[in-house]
Amino acid sequence: EADIYQTPRYLVIGTGKKITLECSQTMGHDKMYWYQQDPGMELHLIHYSYGVNSTEKGDLSSESTVSRIRTEHFPLTLESARPSHTSQYLCASTSRGTQYFGPGTRLLVL
Amino acid sequence: GENVEQHPSTLSVQEGDSAVIKCTYSDSASNYFPWYKQELGKRPQLIIDIRSNVGEKKDQRIAVTLNKTAKHFSLHITETQPEDSAVYFCAAAVEPRNNNDMRFGAGTRLTVKP
Repeated sequence: EADIYQTPRYLVIGTGKKITLECSQTMGHDKMYWYQQDPGMELHLIHYSYGVNSTEKGDLSSESTVSRIRTEHFPLTLESARPSHTSQYLCASTSRGTQYFGPGTRLLVL
Repeated sequence: GENVEQHPSTLSVQEGDSAVIKCTYSDSASNYFPWYKQELGKRPQLIIDIRSNVGEKKDQRIAVTLNKTAKHFSLHITETQPEDSAVYFCAAAVEPRNNNDMRFGAGTRLTVKP
C-alpha cells in the first residue's frame, strides 16, 4: 500500500547519543519534509528535500542533519541528542500540493 | 516569505453548533490553501483544500471560503459532532512549489462538547 512510514515510533535515549529517525515513502514523491511538533502544537519545519541529493534547512535549527540518497528514503540524524530534542518528529512528502504525513516518531531524551 | 496566522487558538462548541476557524496569509502569490485535521496521537490529515481560482468549496459538513483580496480563508464545520474534536491546521502555499513556500498556521484546538 502506498504510504509514508516512520521508524521507530517511540524512542527513549540518553543524552549525547547519536540517533537516526527513518522515513520512507512508497508514493514516488520527489519532495519530502521533516517537522518537529510538540503534541497538538505548531508544526516546525526542520529540513526538506526536493529530490535525490537535495537537502535544505528549514525554519527551526534542530542540530540535526538529513540525507537523500534515494527518492523513497529521507533519514534524520541527531549527532548528539539533548533533552531539548524531546518532541515528536513528523516526516511528510508532497504530491501536487497535498502534503502526506507519516505517523511520527516520539522521542524522549533523558 | 509567507506568514500564516490562525485564529482562534482554542475553540469550544456544543454538539450540533457550527465552528469557524480563520486564517490570514501575507504572500499574494499563494494559490493553494489546504486544511489538516490532527486527532489526538495521530498524524495530520488533509480534510479539504481550495485553490485560488475558486471562492468556496464544500464537502458534506465542512466548507472552506477564500477571499483573495483580503488574503484570508476560513474553515466552516456545521452540525459539529464529538468526533470533530481535534487540532486543525491551515496552510498556504504557492503551487507548483519551487522552494518551500508552504506555511502552516499555529493550529486551532477544537473541542465539541456532547
